[in-house]
Amino acid sequence: DTEVTQTPKHLVMGMTNKKSLKCEQHMGHRAMYWYKQKAKKPPELMFVYSYEKLSINESVPSRFSPECPNSSLLNLHLHALQPEDSALYLCASSQDERYTQYFGPGTRLTVL
Amino acid sequence: AQTVTQSQPEMSVQEAETVTLSCTYDTSESDYYLFWYKQPPSRQMILVIRQEAYKQQNATENRFSVNFQKAAKSFSLKISDSQLGDAAMYFCAYRGSTQGGSEKLVFGKGTKLTVNP
Repeated sequence: DTEVTQTPKHLVMGMTNKKSLKCEQHMGHRAMYWYKQKAKKPPELMFVYSYEKLSINESVPSRFSPECPNSSLLNLHLHALQPEDSALYLCASSQDERYTQYFGPGTRLTVL
Repeated sequence: AQTVTQSQPEMSVQEAETVTLSCTYDTSESDYYLFWYKQPPSRQMILVIRQEAYKQQNATENRFSVNFQKAAKSFSLKISDSQLGDAAMYFCAYRGSTQGGSEKLVFGKGTKLTVNP
């Protein structure tokens, strides 16, 4: 079973809203990732959590705030986003950082 | 820094035919991993196949196989008996191997595969 789930599937928000994206896996993986993907481009890494600790932050603006409450769950809190932040946000997990990443279906975010 | 190049932005194939997608990479490391991911219009990135650089044998998964040429730094994907469901964007990706370290996936720009009935 290599399932990573993400909610919601779609999200539309205004620039003053606060919202959160959720990612969950029950494979016992200890590394989890957030990626941003613009149309017709490859995914861009945003954050990596390893054993529930933030190990990589790719200089992402502070309006994106990741959180890893436990080893199965990864959140991305959104606040005061800009229209250029509209994209597909993908979550992935792996056994640990040395192993193959498995992706979730993504959340399509639109910022108005 | 490692780079991954996919020189074919778009490819097309007839159903039941065979198609090969190209990928080259640049690295100074001797131990690493290579991947092909598929992303259909449904959006989910799906792992197609994985190759460890230390293995000389080319990886295969059913109709999908790779031609891994380590000296040439080439990692092409062959899809046999193409099906309509194979239509997708295909990304080649590289990841280094560091003991206990964080290694990012480096993606190519992708190849859009169309399968014609």
